[in-house]
Amino acid sequence: EAGVTQFPSHSVIEKGQTVTLRCDPISGHDNLYWYRRVMGKEIKFLLHFVKESKQDESGMPNNRFLAERTGGTYSTLKVQPAELEDSGVYFCASSQERLGETQYFGPGTRLLVL
Amino acid sequence: QKEVEQNSGPLSVPEGAIASLNCTYSDRGSQSFFWYRQYSGKSPELIMFIYSNGDKEDGRFTAQLNKASQYVSLLIRDSQPSDSATYLCAVSRGGGSYIPTFGRGTSLIVHP
Repeated sequence: EAGVTQFPSHSVIEKGQTVTLRCDPISGHDNLYWYRRVMGKEIKFLLHFVKESKQDESGMPNNRFLAERTGGTYSTLKVQPAELEDSGVYFCASSQERLGETQYFGPGTRLLVL
Repeated sequence: QKEVEQNSGPLSVPEGAIASLNCTYSDRGSQSFFWYRQYSGKSPELIMFIYSNGDKEDGRFTAQLNKASQYVSLLIRDSQPSDSATYLCAVSRGGGSYIPTFGRGTSLIVHP
Protein backbone atom coordinates (compact mmCIF):
# COMPACT_ATOMS: atom_id res chain seq x y z
CA GLU A 1 0.00 0.00 0.00
CA ALA A 2 1.41 3.37 -1.01
CA GLY A 3 2.00 5.84 1.77
CA VAL A 4 1.25 9.54 1.89
CA THR A 5 3.01 11.34 -0.91
CA GLN A 6 3.84 15.01 -1.24
CA PHE A 7 5.00 17.10 -4.14
CA PRO A 8 7.34 18.83 -4.59
CA SER A 9 9.93 17.57 -2.16
CA HIS A 10 11.70 20.92 -2.24
CA SER A 11 10.75 24.39 -3.43
CA VAL A 12 12.79 27.56 -3.48
CA ILE A 13 10.89 30.72 -4.36
CA GLU A 14 11.27 34.43 -3.95
CA LYS A 15 9.27 36.54 -1.59
CA GLY A 16 6.01 37.57 -3.20
CA GLN A 17 5.74 34.53 -5.44
CA THR A 18 3.10 31.83 -5.23
CA VAL A 19 3.72 28.20 -4.36
CA THR A 20 1.31 25.28 -4.39
CA LEU A 21 2.03 22.15 -2.40
CA ARG A 22 0.26 18.90 -3.09
CA CYS A 23 -0.56 15.96 -0.84
CA ASP A 24 -1.93 12.59 -1.84
CA PRO A 25 -3.19 10.71 1.21
CA ILE A 26 -3.32 6.96 1.62
CA SER A 27 -6.19 5.62 -0.47
CA GLY A 28 -9.39 5.41 1.55
CA HIS A 29 -8.28 7.81 4.27
CA ASP A 30 -10.98 10.41 4.81
CA ASN A 31 -8.91 12.48 7.23
CA LEU A 32 -6.17 14.69 5.86
CA TYR A 33 -4.03 17.06 7.89
CA TRP A 34 -1.50 19.76 7.09
CA TYR A 35 1.31 20.66 9.47
CA ARG A 36 4.31 22.96 9.30
CA ARG A 37 7.67 22.91 11.01
CA VAL A 38 9.61 26.14 11.02
CA MET A 39 13.33 25.67 11.67
CA GLY A 40 14.09 25.34 15.36
CA LYS A 41 10.45 25.11 16.32
CA GLU A 42 7.97 22.33 16.87
CA ILE A 43 5.62 20.87 14.28
CA LYS A 44 2.43 22.91 14.27
CA PHE A 45 -1.02 21.95 13.06
CA LEU A 46 -2.47 23.96 10.19
CA LEU A 47 -5.76 22.33 9.24
CA HIS A 48 -7.80 19.15 9.04
CA PHE A 49 -10.04 17.92 6.23
CA VAL A 50 -12.66 15.23 6.55
CA LYS A 51 -13.23 14.20 2.96
CA GLU A 52 -13.62 17.51 1.15
CA SER A 53 -14.78 19.53 4.16
CA LYS A 54 -12.55 21.64 6.37
CA GLN A 55 -13.08 20.26 9.87
CA ASP A 56 -10.64 22.51 11.67
CA GLU A 57 -8.56 25.30 10.17
CA SER A 58 -7.62 26.98 13.42
CA GLY A 59 -3.91 26.62 12.73
CA MET A 60 -3.82 28.46 9.41
CA PRO A 61 -1.55 31.46 10.02
CA ASN A 62 -3.28 34.01 7.80
CA ASN A 63 -5.27 34.46 4.63
CA ARG A 64 -2.21 34.04 2.43
CA PHE A 65 -2.69 30.31 2.94
CA LEU A 66 -5.44 28.48 1.07
CA ALA A 67 -6.05 24.76 1.33
CA GLU A 68 -8.38 22.75 -0.84
CA ARG A 69 -9.38 19.13 -1.14
CA THR A 70 -11.66 18.89 -4.12
CA GLY A 71 -13.40 15.53 -4.40
CA GLY A 72 -12.04 14.39 -1.08
CA THR A 73 -8.90 12.88 -2.52
CA TYR A 74 -5.68 14.86 -2.87
CA SER A 75 -5.20 18.25 -1.26
CA THR A 76 -3.34 21.40 -2.21
CA LEU A 77 -1.95 24.12 0.00
CA LYS A 78 -1.29 27.41 -1.76
CA VAL A 79 0.76 30.21 -0.30
CA GLN A 80 0.18 33.52 -2.05
CA PRO A 81 2.13 35.75 -1.77
CA ALA A 82 4.91 33.93 0.04
CA GLU A 83 6.82 35.69 2.82
CA LEU A 84 10.19 34.87 4.34
CA GLU A 85 8.61 33.50 7.51
CA ASP A 86 6.73 30.88 5.48
CA SER A 87 9.94 28.92 5.05
CA GLY A 88 9.87 25.53 6.67
CA VAL A 89 8.85 21.94 6.14
CA TYR A 90 5.20 21.32 5.32
CA PHE A 91 3.95 17.90 6.28
CA CYS A 92 0.75 16.24 5.24
CA ALA A 93 -0.75 13.33 7.16
CA SER A 94 -3.76 11.12 6.71
CA SER A 95 -5.74 8.78 8.89
CA GLN A 96 -8.53 6.29 8.48
CA GLU A 97 -10.14 6.32 11.91
CA ARG A 98 -12.92 8.74 12.61
CA LEU A 99 -10.93 10.30 15.42
CA GLY A 100 -7.61 10.15 13.65
CA GLU A 101 -5.46 8.65 16.36
CA THR A 102 -3.07 6.98 13.97
CA GLN A 103 -1.84 9.54 11.49
CA TYR A 104 0.53 8.60 8.70
CA PHE A 105 2.84 11.40 7.69
CA GLY A 106 4.18 12.16 4.26
CA PRO A 107 7.83 12.99 3.61
CA GLY A 108 7.21 16.73 3.66
CA THR A 109 7.86 19.62 1.31
CA ARG A 110 10.82 21.78 2.21
CA LEU A 111 9.94 25.36 1.30
CA LEU A 112 12.53 28.11 1.24
CA VAL A 113 11.39 31.66 0.59
CA LEU A 114 14.22 34.04 -0.33
CA GLN B 1 5.53 28.29 29.05
CA LYS B 2 5.69 25.87 26.15
CA GLU B 3 2.69 23.59 25.82
CA VAL B 4 4.76 20.44 25.39
CA GLU B 5 8.32 20.44 26.67
CA GLN B 6 11.10 18.04 25.87
CA ASN B 7 14.81 18.16 26.48
CA SER B 8 16.37 18.62 23.05
CA GLY B 9 19.32 16.41 23.92
CA PRO B 10 21.15 14.75 22.44
CA LEU B 11 20.64 11.83 24.76
CA SER B 12 23.46 9.39 24.23
CA VAL B 13 23.20 5.80 25.43
CA PRO B 14 25.27 2.69 24.71
CA GLU B 15 23.83 -0.14 22.68
CA GLY B 16 21.79 -2.48 24.84
CA ALA B 17 20.98 0.12 27.48
CA ILE B 18 17.59 1.57 28.36
CA ALA B 19 16.89 4.97 26.85
CA SER B 20 14.50 7.16 28.83
CA LEU B 21 12.82 10.05 27.05
CA ASN B 22 10.70 12.51 28.98
CA CYS B 23 7.98 15.01 28.19
CA THR B 24 5.87 17.41 30.24
CA TYR B 25 2.75 19.21 29.11
CA SER B 26 0.87 22.22 30.37
CA ASP B 27 -2.77 21.53 29.41
CA ARG B 28 -4.46 19.58 32.19
CA GLY B 29 -7.29 18.80 29.79
CA SER B 30 -5.03 16.65 27.63
CA GLN B 31 -6.40 13.17 27.16
CA SER B 32 -4.27 11.53 24.48
CA PHE B 33 -0.52 11.22 24.36
CA PHE B 34 1.64 10.17 21.45
CA TRP B 35 5.26 9.34 20.75
CA TYR B 36 6.58 9.76 17.22
CA ARG B 37 10.00 8.78 15.90
CA GLN B 38 11.59 10.89 13.19
CA TYR B 39 14.75 9.88 11.41
CA SER B 40 16.81 12.72 9.99
CA GLY B 41 15.19 14.12 6.87
CA LYS B 42 12.24 11.73 7.11
CA SER B 43 8.64 11.99 8.19
CA PRO B 44 7.41 11.45 11.77
CA GLU B 45 6.23 7.91 12.44
CA LEU B 46 3.79 7.11 15.24
CA ILE B 47 5.26 4.46 17.53
CA MET B 48 2.94 4.57 20.53
CA PHE B 49 -0.07 6.29 22.00
CA ILE B 50 -1.41 6.14 25.54
CA TYR B 51 -4.60 7.40 27.13
CA SER B 52 -4.62 6.05 30.69
CA ASN B 53 -2.33 6.56 33.64
CA GLY B 54 0.27 3.88 34.01
CA ASP B 55 2.39 1.93 31.60
CA LYS B 56 1.74 0.65 28.09
CA GLU B 57 4.20 -1.78 26.56
CA ASP B 58 4.77 -2.62 22.92
CA GLY B 59 7.83 -4.71 22.21
CA ARG B 60 10.92 -2.84 23.37
CA PHE B 61 8.93 0.36 23.92
CA THR B 62 7.08 1.35 27.08
CA ALA B 63 5.09 4.55 27.40
CA GLN B 64 4.42 5.83 30.90
CA LEU B 65 1.77 8.41 31.74
CA ASN B 66 1.22 10.35 34.95
CA LYS B 67 -1.60 12.85 34.45
CA ALA B 68 -1.33 14.23 37.98
CA SER B 69 2.25 15.25 37.30
CA GLN B 70 1.50 16.08 33.63
CA TYR B 71 4.34 13.86 32.60
CA VAL B 72 4.72 11.24 29.91
CA SER B 73 7.81 9.21 29.14
CA LEU B 74 9.06 6.66 26.65
CA LEU B 75 11.43 3.88 27.61
CA ILE B 76 13.33 1.99 24.95
CA ARG B 77 14.81 -1.27 26.21
CA ASP B 78 17.81 -2.93 24.60
CA SER B 79 18.54 0.20 22.58
CA GLN B 80 19.94 -0.37 19.11
CA PRO B 81 21.88 2.00 16.84
CA SER B 82 18.84 1.91 14.55
CA ASP B 83 16.86 3.62 17.34
CA SER B 84 18.97 6.75 16.85
CA ALA B 85 16.45 9.39 15.82
CA THR B 86 14.50 12.33 17.16
CA TYR B 87 11.56 11.37 19.36
CA LEU B 88 8.60 13.71 19.33
CA CYS B 89 6.09 13.85 22.15
CA ALA B 90 2.60 15.05 21.25
CA VAL B 91 -0.58 15.56 23.24
CA SER B 92 -4.17 16.27 22.31
CA ARG B 93 -7.36 17.09 24.14
CA GLY B 94 -9.22 14.15 22.69
CA GLY B 95 -12.97 14.48 23.10
CA GLY B 96 -13.50 13.99 19.41
CA SER B 97 -10.29 15.48 18.17
CA TYR B 98 -6.85 13.98 18.04
CA ILE B 99 -5.08 17.01 16.64
CA PRO B 100 -1.70 16.77 18.33
CA THR B 101 0.37 19.54 19.88
CA PHE B 102 3.99 18.58 19.41
CA GLY B 103 7.09 19.13 21.45
CA ARG B 104 10.35 20.00 19.70
CA GLY B 105 11.70 16.51 20.15
CA THR B 106 14.61 14.80 21.85
CA SER B 107 17.53 13.57 19.79
CA LEU B 108 18.60 10.07 20.78
CA ILE B 109 21.98 8.62 19.84
CA VAL B 110 22.64 4.95 20.49
CA HIS B 111 26.32 4.22 20.11
CA PRO B 112 27.76 0.74 19.54
